[in-house]
Amino acid sequence: KAGVTQTPRYLIKTRGQQVTLSCSPISGHRSVSWYQQTPGQGLQFLFEYFSETQRNKGNFPGRFSGRQFSNSRSEMNVSTLELGDSALYLCASSFSFSSYNEQFFGPGTRLTVL
Amino acid sequence: AQSVTQLDSQVPVFEEAPVELRCNYSSSVSVYLFWYVQYPNQGLQLLLKYLSGSTLVESINGFEAEFNKSQTSFHLRKPSVHISDTAEYFCAVMGGSQGNLIFGKGTKLSVKP
Repeated sequence: KAGVTQTPRYLIKTRGQQVTLSCSPISGHRSVSWYQQTPGQGLQFLFEYFSETQRNKGNFPGRFSGRQFSNSRSEMNVSTLELGDSALYLCASSFSFSSYNEQFFGPGTRLTVL
Repeated sequence: AQSVTQLDSQVPVFEEAPVELRCNYSSSVSVYLFWYVQYPNQGLQLLLKYLSGSTLVESINGFEAEFNKSQTSFHLRKPSVHISDTAEYFCAVMGGSQGNLIFGKGTKLSVKP
């Protein structure tokens, strides 16, 4: 079974631009979560989607948004990029959101904002 | 609110020595506890988890962790480390109605020959 895939793996943008990152979950998984990893703040939860609905959201500004499609693939968008948005963005998929479902992580997209 | 504290940001150790990576959590509800490992330029891999039952959990590569409710700890141990164990290790909790993981800041384990 293929793992979680994220595209692109690396991305360089300049301040003020916007960016879209993509995540394809493991086949059969319907829940997708996004995390931001930075040296200063560590791993922080962005949001979780299940069946095309945002179920949970972390403490990030509205510039960070996401969506999920009917095939469970998810995208996250960051508008008006700031230098501090430079990070590794990790996507995780799980079968469902109810009770405990193990999250499987993708390799991440490394975003550099210049 | 839940939180996780990893007491050591870096742990250097010689090959074949024992190691303990410390993790304490705070939560007002029952939690699930996890250790993840991250190798350079890779995503996170689940190392082991505590959901319920036996408080001692083991991974396939020799790591173990013990859930201690009274001390709110979930320390990770390995009796003899290898060079290949060099990585960053993250402790995480998940609890209540929230399905997201809350991570500690991570501990970089550096195994030297």
